[in-house]
Amino acid sequence: GAVVSQHPSRVICKSGTSVKIECRSLDFQATTMFWYRQFPKKSLMLMATSNEGSKATYEQGVEKDKFLINHASLTLSTLTVTSAHPEDSSFYICSARYSSSGNTIYFGEGSWLTVV
Amino acid sequence: AQSVTQLDSQVPVFEEAPVELRCNYSSSVSVYLFWYVQYPNQGLQLLLKYLSGSTLVKGINGFEAEFNKSQTSFHLRKPSVHISDTAEYFCAVMGSGTYKYIFGTGTRLKVLA
Repeated sequence: GAVVSQHPSRVICKSGTSVKIECRSLDFQATTMFWYRQFPKKSLMLMATSNEGSKATYEQGVEKDKFLINHASLTLSTLTVTSAHPEDSSFYICSARYSSSGNTIYFGEGSWLTVV
Repeated sequence: AQSVTQLDSQVPVFEEAPVELRCNYSSSVSVYLFWYVQYPNQGLQLLLKYLSGSTLVKGINGFEAEFNKSQTSFHLRKPSVHISDTAEYFCAVMGSGTYKYIFGTGTRLKVLA
C-alpha cells in the first residue's frame, strides 16, 4: 500500500515554456505532499510543502512564482515550472503522507525534466 | 534546525564483504531517522527507520542501522553485500513535530565482483 505515482517520468521542454508534473497518491488520501528537487549527483532539496486546499509553503530560496504548486485534492498535487530555463533541468520527486502514517512519508518515482 | 552529514561520497566494496555507511546528524530537538536507497533513474525506497524504542533497527534487504544518541549517529550496515546493492544511499532526519525530511548528500555504494 501507500503508493505515490508521478507523471510524466521524463519530459523535455523548450526554454521559455511551462511544464506540469503531477503527483498522485494511488491508494490513500494525502493530507500533505512535499516536492523535492535533486541536482545531478547531489542530495534532495525540499522545495515546498503543500496541504490539501491551502497554499503551499515554500522553503527559503525557492521561487514561488516560478515553481507553482497546487494541491487541489487529497490525491493530487501538481508542480508547474513556469518559463523554464536550462538551469531548471533536474530530477523532481514528490512525497506524501496521510493522517495516520505517522512520520513515514512515501516517495514517488521522480520526474526528469530537461529544458533545451 | 536539523542537518545530516554523510562523510563518504562513495564506498567501494567487494561482493559478500560487510559494509558500513556512515551518517551523523545534528538537531536541537528529538529526531526521527531514516535510510533510503535510490537505484539509477528511480525514486527513493525506504530501507529502515528509527522512531523510538530499540536503537538497533532492521530493514529490508538485510540492512540494519543503529541509533547512537551520544554520538549523534545512525550508521547503516550490511554483513554481506550483493552486486544488486549497488545504489545511492541517503540518510535523512526529521525533527519531532515536523514532517520535513532533511537529507544527507548521499553515499554511492559500489559493489565489486
